[in-house]
Amino acid sequence: AQTVTQSQPEMSVQEAETVTLSCTYDTSESDYYLFWYKQPPSRQMILVIRQEAYKQQNATENRFSVNFQKAAKSFSLKISDSQLGDAAMYFCACAYDSNYQLIWGAGTKLIIKP
Amino acid sequence: DAGVIQSPRHEVTEMGQEVTLRCKPISGHNSLFWYRQTMMRGLELLIYFNNNVPIDDSGMPEDRFSAKMPNASFSTLKIQPSEPRDSAVYFCASRRTGQYNEQYFGPGTRLTVT
Repeated sequence: AQTVTQSQPEMSVQEAETVTLSCTYDTSESDYYLFWYKQPPSRQMILVIRQEAYKQQNATENRFSVNFQKAAKSFSLKISDSQLGDAAMYFCACAYDSNYQLIWGAGTKLIIKP
Repeated sequence: DAGVIQSPRHEVTEMGQEVTLRCKPISGHNSLFWYRQTMMRGLELLIYFNNNVPIDDSGMPEDRFSAKMPNASFSTLKIQPSEPRDSAVYFCASRRTGQYNEQYFGPGTRLTVT
């Protein structure tokens, strides 16, 4: 079965510091994509960053970057210079070429301390 | 480019009433998804359309739930009759097949059934 695991139900970080959210996945597929979505209190699900499994280079979007370890099936999200607006639930998800579904992790609640 | 549009944003209704949720996907996207999110069950996929055709409705909880997609720019999710346990946030998402399989979400409809 294809699964996505987020082992940290909640994380907190001081404003302006760096935090890393963990995600592991399990799949036998060779072609897949990994995503981090953010869900702030407004409830809107926002795509933060995407990583193609065939790319070795880690994706980066401004203050957000990933550490993609394909052999370990690990896909962590690093948020640098944390801002109050980063407070949200963060969901890790995986999609496959062979399947239309997104497989979701349970989410990590990120708290930013001013 | 306008994002996914959902209406209404909030709906409060009494048990037994019919509820219709609406979604306009992003122009050019050919896949549409309806999700339900609750604290207890997280994010659940209800139904998936591809090119306006329902492909997988195995997530639709009961016969009280139905979904249609009469054209590429409009979909509805109907609950008839509604029950208090249907209270949740309902999301519509769309994607363009082959475009990394990433899904773009609407703002959601918060449904409260009293």
